[in-house]
Amino acid sequence: QKEVEQNSGPLSVPEGAIASLNCTYSDRGSQSFFWYRQYSGKSPELIMFIYSNGDKEDGRFTAQLNKASQYVSLLIRDSQPSDSATYLCAVNSMDTGRRALTFGSGTRLQVQP
Amino acid sequence: ETGVTQTPRHLVMGMTNKKSLKCEQHLGHNAMYWYKQSAKKPLELMFVYNFKEQTENNSVPSRFSPECPNSSHLFLHLHTLQPEDSALYLCASSQDREAALQYFGAGTRLSVL
Repeated sequence: QKEVEQNSGPLSVPEGAIASLNCTYSDRGSQSFFWYRQYSGKSPELIMFIYSNGDKEDGRFTAQLNKASQYVSLLIRDSQPSDSATYLCAVNSMDTGRRALTFGSGTRLQVQP
Repeated sequence: ETGVTQTPRHLVMGMTNKKSLKCEQHLGHNAMYWYKQSAKKPLELMFVYNFKEQTENNSVPSRFSPECPNSSHLFLHLHTLQPEDSALYLCASSQDREAALQYFGAGTRLSVL
């Protein structure tokens, strides 16, 4: 069973701080990695994806991937109260040709004003 | 608005009822998905359709019956459900080649009494 693990949180950070969200995965064949944001009662919204080792930056968000360690993270700089949500890590493995994602349970982020 | 529309947004049904969930995507995608999201659990993939053909059934009970008449529409027919089937049901779509970039609808919140 291929797994994606996240700390459920809540992760509480003050406004303006950097929030660091972490995710580990078990399938070494994983090729694509995604971060979704889900507000309470809403659907997941894709915010970042990364395919290669290293960092990928988009505005206040930075995704970091280390395939050797099977680790992917999301950094949110200058955190705002509006960033308070559950962040889902998702992984796609092309080895199986599976046209679907394996999701983690999500980390709940709380940004304190 | 992601271009994936789900109806109804909320549904309450008894265990003997028959109802259907509808999903429509306006993105020109060829793959569509049904996921189940229960409280404090990862999103669970239920079904995958690619070019109207079912490519994956993730051991879903037969009381859930999917239908995909074309690449833009996906249904989930429900009958004889159990209270534990109460959850948020999410539809997603993706391009055929970019299968991992999935976009979600707003979901249907289902309550089974």
